[in-house]
Amino acid sequence: NAGVTQTPKFQVLKTGQSMTLQCAQDMNHEYMSWYRQDPGMGLRLIHYSVGAGITDQGEVPNGYNVSRSTTEDFPLRLLSAAPSQTSVYFCASSYSRLQGYTFGSGTRLTVV
Amino acid sequence: DQQVKQNSPSLSVQEGRISILNCDYTNSMFDYFLWYKKYPAEGPTFLISISSIKDKNEDGRFTVFLNKSAKHLSLHIVPSQPGDSAVYFCAAVDDYKLSFGAGTTVTVRA
Repeated sequence: NAGVTQTPKFQVLKTGQSMTLQCAQDMNHEYMSWYRQDPGMGLRLIHYSVGAGITDQGEVPNGYNVSRSTTEDFPLRLLSAAPSQTSVYFCASSYSRLQGYTFGSGTRLTVV
Repeated sequence: DQQVKQNSPSLSVQEGRISILNCDYTNSMFDYFLWYKKYPAEGPTFLISISSIKDKNEDGRFTVFLNKSAKHLSLHIVPSQPGDSAVYFCAAVDDYKLSFGAGTTVTVRA
């Protein structure tokens, strides 16, 4: 099925561990982005990309890295996990900045 | 500082009646606005959008109104149906960045 695929769906990390959240889309979308959702705060933009090889920071980029080596994939790396990074993470893609983004089903991350 | 605000965390409406969701923003650079619907354990799904050069956009049961001078937009759902029970997010576009409100939980009563 066409869409945005996120893996894993759930993850528990210990403080200080690193990991990569995977995101892949098969719609040939140029625009991809990562958000985190926390209670009472809506979704906040972490990093975004307007095409392969091009990334930029969003509202809350600290503690996260991204890269975009292909159009399809946009992984999010947590360098040294902290309890403040406990959240639900969503990846999204779109073919135009003014069109509705297609979201993945999310990764629920807990850092203990 | 949140640039997009949804001041009503919840809304309860009877089936068949109108649901009105409100959203306020502070950034004059926003040039496009979107509404998303979200069910538990799923990602948000796109509902409807409006350009800053328009004041109304309609798609079936959903209509979005934009008042630029008041920096306010609203989503009308008519008639409300049980499947509309979800969290609704307002979002605004500045360049390539989306800013979201905190969401409004809509419950449609039978």
